[in-house]
Amino acid sequence: EPEVTQTPSHQVTQMGQEVILRCVPISNHLYFYWYRQILGQKVEFLVSFYNNEISEKSEIFDDQFSVERPDGSNFTLKIRSTKLEDSAMYFCASSDYGRNSSSDTQYFGPGTRLTVL
Amino acid sequence: RKEVEQDPGPFNVPEGATVAFNCTYSNSASQSFFWYRQDCRKEPKLLMSVYSSGNEDGRFTAQLNRASQYISLLIRDSKLSDSATYLCVVKRGNTGKLIFGQGTTLQVKP
Repeated sequence: EPEVTQTPSHQVTQMGQEVILRCVPISNHLYFYWYRQILGQKVEFLVSFYNNEISEKSEIFDDQFSVERPDGSNFTLKIRSTKLEDSAMYFCASSDYGRNSSSDTQYFGPGTRLTVL
Repeated sequence: RKEVEQDPGPFNVPEGATVAFNCTYSNSASQSFFWYRQDCRKEPKLLMSVYSSGNEDGRFTAQLNRASQYISLLIRDSKLSDSATYLCVVKRGNTGKLIFGQGTTLQVKP
């Protein structure tokens, strides 16, 4: 069964450093997402991406965050200057519908655990 | 008020028990509804979509009441492997954004 993959599985960084989290969505999917989950809290939407542009972003997704689809397979989340509160599990997801379908399914990758020291 | 509310539990039940989880959502513009399952420190995985007519998948039955903005999940004949956190999720808007509840933790004991 096709699956979303993410690398690295765990990233440790110093506060103020830049990190890039990588995702390879399912190959025929067109809609891509990033979510995060702080330990013990709910999963929160960060951003959705379609047709090489952001279609929606949350309040969390401020100027320190950016997303990119640099080639036909990768989808990346960059945090320019990490803060302690960015420590969380970051999940990438993809789907083959997304806009007007009520039957679309988002498939999640295994996540990257980001620890900011 | 949280947009999707769930009783966090934990629900501790013996094997073979029937257990029900409830969820309410506050935004009447919500379009699609799902139950996801999340094992400890793992990604959410879709358990089932939820339709107004109700739907069943083996031991799992989901119901949606749009008038009350209420979603339920019933698990019959609980197995040890059902132990997990069950996430109530709604989709709103035309970008596919998913809004998650806090999750309800189920522990099935032998």
